[in-house]
Amino acid sequence: KQEVTQIPAALSVPEGENLVLNCSFTDSAIYNLQWFRQDPGKGLTSLLLIQSSQREQTSGRLNASLDKSSGRSTLYIAASQPGDSATYLCAVIRSGSARQLTFGSGTQLTVLP
Amino acid sequence: DTGVSQNPRHKITKRGQNVTFRCDPISEHNRLYWYRQTLGQGPEFLTYFQNEAQLEKSRLLSDRFSAERPKGSFSTLEIQRTEQGDSAMYLCASSLVTIEKLFFGSGTQLSVL
Repeated sequence: KQEVTQIPAALSVPEGENLVLNCSFTDSAIYNLQWFRQDPGKGLTSLLLIQSSQREQTSGRLNASLDKSSGRSTLYIAASQPGDSATYLCAVIRSGSARQLTFGSGTQLTVLP
Repeated sequence: DTGVSQNPRHKITKRGQNVTFRCDPISEHNRLYWYRQTLGQGPEFLTYFQNEAQLEKSRLLSDRFSAERPKGSFSTLEIQRTEQGDSAMYLCASSLVTIEKLFFGSGTQLSVL
């Protein structure tokens, strides 16, 4: 059974700092990995999707990497802003016919002005 | 707005009552997913449809839960004889078959008293 873990559970940083969020998964046979952002009481917003054959994806100040062999992904946020404050979730789809995403519990990020 | 739409946003019900939620996916998306999320946890997969066919169901989806997607457009999720443990945010998402990037709605927050 696939398990996804995100460390730390919560993180507080001053504005302008670069930061890294971590995600690990137990089964390396994945189809893709996705990073999402969730604001309190809201749905999820897709940030980046990395296919199993890819090593990283970038969008603006965000960069996500994937190392399947070690079962790890990182989300790098450059020059953090208070508007980046949210919960960040990673999720994986395993290879095969099943299409369900397995989520981690998220990292709650607070960027202090 | 061409995003995923969910109604109602909030639902308060008494234990034992039936409730139904609706999800309207992005119009060209042929896959539709239902997830459930409790406070402080990542979403858990419930079921997904490809067009009108329900292709996968989680063991979390007890016989009190039923989902439909008539004509491959909107979907409904019904919970019969609600229990307090059903209290959660119910999230709907949609995607294309070819690009499995999920777009989530804002969710329906269910409170069972």
